[in-house]
Amino acid sequence: GNSVTQMEGPVTLSEEAFLTINCTYTATGYPSLFWYVQYPGEGLQLLLKATKADDKGSNKGFEATYRKETTSFHLEKGSVQVSDSAVYFCALSFSNSGYALNFGKGTSLLVTP
Amino acid sequence: DTAVSQTPKYLVTQMGNDKSIKCEQNLGHDTMYWYKQDSKKFLKIMFSYNNKELIINETVPNRFSPKSPDKAHLNLHINSLELGDSAVYFCASEGQDYGYTFGSGTRLTVV
Repeated sequence: GNSVTQMEGPVTLSEEAFLTINCTYTATGYPSLFWYVQYPGEGLQLLLKATKADDKGSNKGFEATYRKETTSFHLEKGSVQVSDSAVYFCALSFSNSGYALNFGKGTSLLVTP
Repeated sequence: DTAVSQTPKYLVTQMGNDKSIKCEQNLGHDTMYWYKQDSKKFLKIMFSYNNKELIINETVPNRFSPKSPDKAHLNLHINSLELGDSAVYFCASEGQDYGYTFGSGTRLTVV
């Protein structure tokens, strides 16, 4: 079946540190890949996405590159801020017509001043 | 102007009760979803509707029944609530180009 595996959290970093959150997937075919962020007490917001191999998604200083050869979509940010503290979800989907997002278990990030 | 709105935001109820959660989207999307987020933050798809037709019906107890009166609304009715139903329930809609938009969630607590 299709699945997403994320690194276990929580991840605790100091402000301005470099962030990597690993995400790998198992899928039959070539899914689209997503990173969603959930701030405390809120719903999910799309952070970035990539729809085909070698695409790079980027937003708010976060980046992730769709690597077909390693079936990975790792999230990176060069310098995190306290306001980046949230839960980050990697997800995959196959079409834009009723195929639901399949989420990883989420990685909690805490950034300290 | 909220794109995907859910009501209520919080719901506390006793075991055995029946309750409904409502969801409305004003994005003109054809597809809507219900997800359940458990206490460990794991998100799992429950149902999906496309233009009022049921598309996805995951392994969910039949005490849960979705209803879509039109493509802008997808409600979730839960009968005979159990302690294990306590979770945050998210509604989402999907438009073109993988545009999923989530509501802010309904935190259900069964006591």
